[in-house]
This record gives sequence, structure tokens and C-alpha cells, in this order.
Amino acid sequence: EVQLVQSGAEAKKPGESLKISCKGSGYSFRSYWIGWVRQMPGKGLEWMGIIYPGDSNVKYSPSFQGQVIISVDKSMTTAFLQWSSLRASDTAMYYCARRQAYYDNIDYWGQGTLVTVSS
Amino acid sequence: SYVLTQPPSVSVAPGKTATIACGGNDIGSKSVHWYQQKPGQAPVLVIYYDSNRPSGIPERFSGSNSGNTATLIVSRVEAGDEADYYCHVWDNSSDQDVFGPGTTVTVL
Repeated sequence: EVQLVQSGAEAKKPGESLKISCKGSGYSFRSYWIGWVRQMPGKGLEWMGIIYPGDSNVKYSPSFQGQVIISVDKSMTTAFLQWSSLRASDTAMYYCARRQAYYDNIDYWGQGTLVTVSS
Repeated sequence: SYVLTQPPSVSVAPGKTATIACGGNDIGSKSVHWYQQKPGQAPVLVIYYDSNRPSGIPERFSGSNSGNTATLIVSRVEAGDEADYYCHVWDNSSDQDVFGPGTTVTVL
């Protein structure tokens, strides 16, 4: 069974750093792109970027380039999303998602990680 | 960058048909996918590659794509179909994935 299991909710202060994770199982982790999607409170889905675990190739959405870092540890079958200095505007639910190779659709989603940034 | 448009909301009576449009420049040349998201839950794929249903998705869900508009159709709408629906494409010219802004379907 394909699963993407994300790390738990985080409460942080502005300026702090954070790294959240997404562990894949039940499939060949290195063969599928993993994307990250932001959903701010009461808002829609925003594509942040995507990584291919096989070669760690990363593509960022222009809106998130330079704001976050997407990485992967193949040995742990885990993808990561990290911030060096959080802002209150980073408060959101973050989903990881597996993208199909052929049709480019997302077929599996993580359960989401809620990040709250407040002083 | 590529932009998708969707109506903010659609209201439909039970048993009737909900039609949700997703607009984009020459979207008919792209593969369009649709996701359903209920409150407090992760999105779920309901249509991929314009008109294909994943296993487990009822036949009441269908899709089409031509010209500048892709369409998700939900037939014989049930109360459980009340959710937000998002279209999604990969834009080859920018090599970027894009979501539409989402449509809230309300069952009257």
C-alpha cells in the first residue's frame, strides 16, 4: 500500500527555522516525483515545488524560489521542506504529494502538516 | 506563468448536475486533473488526464477538455459531493505545475 506519512504539527516563532518531513512507503520511492503544496487558512492549493528522489532534481515554483528548500534522503525514503527564517505568513497546512510519471497527476497525498508561526 | 481560472462557487440541488469549468489558454492541449477536497481532509484525485476516473471514484464524475476550457461534471449530485474542487495542469512551457483557484460546490 502506497503511503506518504508527514511529520506532526509545528508551532514556531517568527525567525525560527523548521524542517518538516514526508516519508514514502509501499512503492519505489526514487522513481516518483514528490511535490509540496501549501494551503493557507481558508485558501486554495498552491504548488511550491517538486523533487525527483532518483537524482534530487528540484524545481521550485517562482513564488517559492528562495523562500524554502526542498530536499530528499533516499536511504530514508523521506522528502523534506525547510525554512531558515519563518514568518507569520508561512502559517499554513503543507501537503506532500506523489506525482505520476506519465500523466503528471497527483495520485497520493500525505495527511498534511500544520505549521503555525506566531509570536 | 500559466494561469487557470475557476468560478468561486457552484450551487446545485441534489440529484441534479454540477458543472465546474477550468479556464486556461489552450488548455485543451494539456492534461487536466481534478481533485476534491472536503473540510479538514487532504485532496483526493477524482479525474486525471481530462476524463479518466481513478478506481473507487463513482461513474457520476466525468470530465472533458477542449479549446480554452476543461470541465468537471458531477451527475446525480449527492450531499457527500459538497466540497472544494481544484483543477491542475503541468505547463510544459514553464515546466511548472499549476492549480486553479478552486470551486466550492454547495448542495442545496
